[in-house]
Amino acid sequence: DADVTQTPRNRITKTGKRIMLECSQTKGHDRMYWYRQDPGLGLRLIYYSFDVKDINKGEISDGYSVSRQAQAKFSLSLESAIPNQTALYFCATRESGGDKDTQYFGPGTRLTVL
Amino acid sequence: AQKVTQAQTEISVVEKEDVTLDCVYETRDTTYYLFWYKQPPSGELVFLIRRNSFDEQNEISGRYSWNFQKSTSSFNFTITASQVVDSAVYFCALSEFEKLVFGKGTKLTVNP
Repeated sequence: DADVTQTPRNRITKTGKRIMLECSQTKGHDRMYWYRQDPGLGLRLIYYSFDVKDINKGEISDGYSVSRQAQAKFSLSLESAIPNQTALYFCATRESGGDKDTQYFGPGTRLTVL
Repeated sequence: AQKVTQAQTEISVVEKEDVTLDCVYETRDTTYYLFWYKQPPSGELVFLIRRNSFDEQNEISGRYSWNFQKSTSSFNFTITASQVVDSAVYFCALSEFEKLVFGKGTKLTVNP
C-alpha cells in the first residue's frame, strides 16, 4: 500500500462549487504539505502543517483552506472553485530530524474547474 | 528569497547518450538541503536524492550521478547511458526552513 494517498485522483467540477481534496499518510510524519503544480511553473506551496494544531500559509494560499483532522490526515478545500485553480495538486509528508529531512509526495489529484 | 533555476526547459537525447541536467540555486542560509525529484509521465513525484550543504561529495547511484559545487551554487544531475524509461520531468529543489522551493523542471525525452 502507498504511504501517502490522495483522493480523488481526478476531479472535474464547475465554477463556484466547493470541493475537498483529501490526503492520508501511514508514514507517521508530523509535517504535511499541499502543493499545486502548473505547467512550466514547478510546484508551489499552498499550506503546510507541523501538527494538528499548527497550520501555516504557503505562498499561494488565497482561495484555499485546509484542515488537519489527525496526524495522518490533511485536507485541502476550495470554497468556491474558479477555473484558474485547475492544476495538479500534491500532498506531501516530511520526515524530519537528523539527516532525514525529505518530503515524500502522494500520487497527485488532477483538478479541472470548468 | 531562495530560488532554484533550471535553465534547460526541455532536453531531447537518443538512447545511450549521457545527459546532464543543470540546477543553480540561491540561498543566504549556511545550512540547507538540495533535492532532485523525478516526475514520469504517470504524474507522481519520485524522490531521487537529498544532499546537505556540508557534504560536497559527488554521489553515484547506478546510472545516476550528482555533482554538488557550493562555489558555483550548482547541483547538477547526470544520467549515463540514458534509457527510454528515463523520460520524465526532473525537478531540483532547495529546502527553505520547513518548505521546499522548486525549480520549474526540465523535461527529458529519451528517444529510442
